[in-house]
Amino acid sequence: SQQGEEDPQALSIQEGENATMNCSYKTSINNLQWYRQNSGRGLVHLILIRSNEREKHSGRLRVTLDTSKKSSSLLITASRAADTASYFCATVMDTGRRALTFGSGTRLQVQP
Amino acid sequence: ETGVTQSPTHLIKTRGQQVTLRCSSQSGHNTVSWYQQALGQGPQFIFQYYREEENGRGNFPPRFSGLQFPNYSSELNVNALELDDSALYLCASRSGQGLSEQYFGPGTRLTVT
Repeated sequence: SQQGEEDPQALSIQEGENATMNCSYKTSINNLQWYRQNSGRGLVHLILIRSNEREKHSGRLRVTLDTSKKSSSLLITASRAADTASYFCATVMDTGRRALTFGSGTRLQVQP
Repeated sequence: ETGVTQSPTHLIKTRGQQVTLRCSSQSGHNTVSWYQQALGQGPQFIFQYYREEENGRGNFPPRFSGLQFPNYSSELNVNALELDDSALYLCASRSGQGLSEQYFGPGTRLTVT
């Protein structure tokens, strides 16, 4: 079963605009990771944020984590057509198995 | 490119048949995980192998089985294929059993007719 939900399910923006995707999860986590997937192929790791961190940056990406609300957001600034892809959040639980539990994803379309 | 390879790229099978999918992990990685991704959904964890032993399993029936070899490559076997097994099958590798990022292969698209 999916760990949580991502919002929105689909997002269409113009090049240069910012894109914000949200993720909610259900259980206590050790870390939360964001992945990108182009056209139903393999996933590419973007960023990892640990449960004791609140914000992390990597290039044009900014991730926030609110463990009290069990939610995270991914912000892509100054989007480009090449950012068009599906974006997934995935959690690693605090205890138990060390597998990734994915959300349902946000499909981002960046119009040139 | 992550260095994780999968074969075949695409596969078409008939209901009731058996299938074997293969994954070569990135150099130095001794943990391989398999995920099933149905169309329009996020990946779901099938199982994980660490040093040739299965050490974690998701909510999949026993007809989903696997192997990991001494070179840490891995196979996913699915018996008695059902239509709902049609999906993209992804493998991911990492070093150790830690909590870090995983490196995914390009996937195998399985269609069951």
